[in-house]
Amino acid sequence: QKEVEQNSGPLSVPEGAIASLNCTYSDRGSQSFFWYRQYSGKSPELIMFIYSNGDKEDGRFTAQLNKASQYVSLLIRDSQPSDSATYLCAVKGGGGNKLTFGTGTQLKVEL
Amino acid sequence: GAVVSQHPSWVICKSGTSVKIECRSLDFQATTMFWYRQFPKQSLMLMATSNEGSKATYEQGVEKDKFLINHASLTLSTLTVTSAHPEDSSFYICSATLGVGYSNQPQHFGDGTRLSIL
Repeated sequence: QKEVEQNSGPLSVPEGAIASLNCTYSDRGSQSFFWYRQYSGKSPELIMFIYSNGDKEDGRFTAQLNKASQYVSLLIRDSQPSDSATYLCAVKGGGGNKLTFGTGTQLKVEL
Repeated sequence: GAVVSQHPSWVICKSGTSVKIECRSLDFQATTMFWYRQFPKQSLMLMATSNEGSKATYEQGVEKDKFLINHASLTLSTLTVTSAHPEDSSFYICSATLGVGYSNQPQHFGDGTRLSIL
């Protein structure tokens, strides 16, 4: 069974700090990796996606992918209270469009 | 770009009622749309994959006669919850993507429909 695992948290970081969110996946054939942010009561919002090993930066967000270790992470620099949400890691395998979601990590950015 | 509109955002109705939820891609043609259900404090559960012009593919354990999906055009998919009961109360979310051949494209989500069955 294809699995995506995340620590449920909550992960608490002070305002201005770097938040590090981690995700591991079991399917070695996975090709695309996505991070979504979900505020309470709202639908998921795409933050970043990454396909190749290494880092991908977009503003305060950096996605990191290590296919050998089957590990993907999201770094949020200069964390703000508005970043407080649940972050969902999603993985897409080869040959299809279905996403497998992790259970999400709750991030709390404290003043 | 990549805006997905979902309607209605909130439905409250009596047990036994059928409820239709619409999902539209506003600025792109969505070959594939997905329907998810999310219970409180749980992650998204894929219900079915909807391809334009063909029958939907349902995930294991999802009753296709209970959850009717129609994807009649490249910009519209509908989910009808037939004879809804209180246990069907949930947050239903659709997403859309360009489809097979664009396998690296992300899914873009609608705002969701909160369904409450009394």
